[in-house]
Parts: sequence; C-alpha cells; structure tokens
Amino acid sequence: DAKTTQPPSMDCAEGRAANLPCNHSTISGNEYVYWYRQIHSQGPQYIIHGLKNNETNEMASLIITEDRKSSTLILPHATLRDTAVYYCIVRDSPFGGATNKLIFGTGTLLAVQP
Amino acid sequence: EAGVTQFPSHSVIEKGQTVTLRCDPISGHDNLYWYRRVMGKEIKFLLHFVKESKQDESGMPNNRFLAERTGGTYSTLKVQPAELEDSGVYFCASSLVTGNNEKLFFGSGTQLSVL
Repeated sequence: DAKTTQPPSMDCAEGRAANLPCNHSTISGNEYVYWYRQIHSQGPQYIIHGLKNNETNEMASLIITEDRKSSTLILPHATLRDTAVYYCIVRDSPFGGATNKLIFGTGTLLAVQP
Repeated sequence: EAGVTQFPSHSVIEKGQTVTLRCDPISGHDNLYWYRRVMGKEIKFLLHFVKESKQDESGMPNNRFLAERTGGTYSTLKVQPAELEDSGVYFCASSLVTGNNEKLFFGSGTQLSVL
C-alpha cells in the first residue's frame, strides 16, 4: 500500500503557483519523498525528490516539514501543460542490490485553468 | 537522445491469445522496470531487471506473464494466454543507477485490451 495521502483533486489558475500537499506521517528516517506526474496518455514523469532538506530544480520545488511527516510540491508558475495527476511517493533507500520499487497511490489531479 | 520506447502503443486481442510487448530502454540504462495500470486501479510494479538478470519479480501476477531481457538491452513481456483482467496500460521504465538518486524514465505505455 502507498504510504502517502493526497487530496484527490485541485484547481490552479494559469500563471499562479500550484501547491500540492502530501501527508506521509509514517515515514521513517531513511525514506525519501519522490514526486512523479502523469500527463494524460503519457507515462509517469519524474519531477523531484528529497530526504529532509528543501529541494529545487527547473521543474519544481519540494518543501519537507521539519518532522518530515508532510511535504508540498510547488510549481511556481503553472501552465495548462501542467495539468496532470501528481504522485507523492515515499521510497526506501535500497541496499544490497534490493529493489525499492515505486508504490503509486491515487495521486492528485491538478487542473490548471486558463 | 531517444527516451524509453514501447511497442506496440495499442494491442487488441481475444481472450486466450498471446501478446508480446516490447520495451527499449534508454541506451546505457542497466535498470529496466515493468509496471501496469489495470482499469480503475493504481499503477503497480511488476518486475525489475538489472541488465539481463531479474532483480525482483514480486509483482508478476501469475505464471501467464513472462518477462525477458536477453543481452541486457530491450525487454519483452509476454502474456500467454491472455485473460480479460489483463487489460490495462503496461509501462516500461529505465534508470541509470539505483539508490537514493534513482530517477525512472517511463515510456508512453502499451494499451492492452483483451476482449
């Protein structure tokens, strides 16, 4: 089962920041928070990941609370092409060659409105 | 650089027939994954190759599914015989390294319809 909970849907106005919340209250110390998104009829796309520090890349920012029990993905200037299902995934760090497969939940459908 | 490519993009078969899906990972990616989404459900892990070896096949639903990756390059996923509940979208993904900074690159998927 997924270890995260997300709102099923959100709306955002084009050009505004989209803030997508994620709760992961049972996260353990060596588990990372990953975000992927799936635009309609495409495969999932990696966005960003982090452990405990805030992270930023060309696509988004990831803010992780100090207790690590929740995080927020921020798309600073949402466009219509950002309409997608966004998945927040908690993923263990593998060792010894073990697989740490992605466990997808139901995600948040972000609808960017013109 | 080419991304992960999957073939065919769509397949419609009858129950009891055989279907083979193909995935070409990004060149140089040793890790190759298969995932699928059946109607109304979440995306689920099927298996993981490292080069030609099966690292984890815990998600394979039953012995009607056979995945191969001969030579450690492209991979095939065969369903034989196909059942109605196998309908869904099958995604392939590849990555360069595993571990804390692994980023999976997904293909666009194969939409399988079993009638």
